[in-house]
Amino acid sequence: AQTVTQSQPEMSVQEAETVTLSCTYDTSENNYYLFWYKQPPSRQMILVIRQEAYKQQNATENRFSVNFQKAAKSFSLKISDSQLGDTAMYFCAFMSAGANSKLTFGKGITLSVRP
Amino acid sequence: DVKVTQSSRYLVKRTGEKVFLECVQDMDHENMFWYRQDPGLGLRLIYFSYDVKMKEKGDIPEGYSVSREKKERFSLILESASTNQTSMYLCASSAPGLANYEQYFGPGTRLTVT
Repeated sequence: AQTVTQSQPEMSVQEAETVTLSCTYDTSENNYYLFWYKQPPSRQMILVIRQEAYKQQNATENRFSVNFQKAAKSFSLKISDSQLGDTAMYFCAFMSAGANSKLTFGKGITLSVRP
Repeated sequence: DVKVTQSSRYLVKRTGEKVFLECVQDMDHENMFWYRQDPGLGLRLIYFSYDVKMKEKGDIPEGYSVSREKKERFSLILESASTNQTSMYLCASSAPGLANYEQYFGPGTRLTVT
């Protein structure tokens, strides 16, 4: 079974600065997908970024980028130029490749952006 | 935009009651999921469904059942609610196939069992 570990329960960052959220996972599979989801306070969970394991290039979505280290089974999220709206819980998640696979989530990290 | 709606944002029930949590999605997605979210535990999968009338157990199915009579609707049932089922319940849906693995989430139902 796959496991996803987010060891930091909380982090805080000053507005406009950069912050990195850590995630490690354990799997014996070679093909899979990794995700970061964001859950703002009292709002719906949304997908932030996705990484395919077969791609060597790190995914980027505007101010959000990942550092995917397949050998180390590490998948960190970097948020550049942090904004107040980035305050949320962030969940790292793993999904095996193949039709109808399930997401396995980490425990989440609460990020607070200070004005 | 994909829309996933849940019947209630907040629900208070008594121990032993039968509880229905409803989820509806409007994107014709084949896959639907029920999770519970607890502090320090993240999201845990209760049940999921890949098609109408199909259901699969997730990681924590005990005490729950589901129903999927129509493609757009996926119901979570607590046959006899207990206090340890007090939690936030999230529904999600996704389209099948290798090209799209994004799950779209509803706003959640915060259930309190007293």
